[in-house]
Amino acid sequence: ETGVTQTPRHLVMGMTNKKSLKCEQHLGHNAMYWYKQSAKKPLELMFVYSLEERVENNSVPSRFSPECPNSSHLFLHLHTLQPEDSALYLCASSQGLDINNEQFFGPGTRLTVL
Amino acid sequence: LAKTTQPISMDSYEGQEVNITCSHNNIATNDYITWYQQFPSQGPRFIIQGYKTKVTNEVASLFIPADRKSSTLSLPRVSLSDTAVYYCLVGPSYGGATNKLIFGTGTLLAVQP
Repeated sequence: ETGVTQTPRHLVMGMTNKKSLKCEQHLGHNAMYWYKQSAKKPLELMFVYSLEERVENNSVPSRFSPECPNSSHLFLHLHTLQPEDSALYLCASSQGLDINNEQFFGPGTRLTVL
Repeated sequence: LAKTTQPISMDSYEGQEVNITCSHNNIATNDYITWYQQFPSQGPRFIIQGYKTKVTNEVASLFIPADRKSSTLSLPRVSLSDTAVYYCLVGPSYGGATNKLIFGTGTLLAVQP
């Protein structure tokens, strides 16, 4: 247990569906992240939030929409995804943005887009 | 961020010491070296971080030579449960910088009985 939880753990959706991934951290951290890990590819940073403000958006398609209502919760809203978006989506949190701050990862959501 | 190069895979046996070396030839003065471990279908987990010389914790040791152009993660007496992908990351630590962890392909360590 890392103190970061993600739901659901597995999700299968069609290309026309709308779904949301949820992440919650119980560590009192003020920075949260979304990563994507496709098969046989390195982890890709998608979004970074600090104190509920988005500080990084790595050219992610608009069909992925993040939301950070407070420092403990992070959502990733999914809409009209493509099969190539099937991947493991990982959430992480850290005390601050400095690289010295260890990132704590959740278990991930395994997403399959049909 | 400094580019890193590490072996794609390594094999070992239970009880052996495993050393995984990472090259980062263009490391900058304010860059730190961080290692993460990832088990299948799980998120990465921080192992150790260092700037120079040697760092040791309850899990591993990190050796960094004087020129800092490489680093070696040392895992003492590995067990089957140490089978995982190990990532070496290099990045700056200064106020205001976004903590952008750039993960490479990592090293898949396979521990045999």
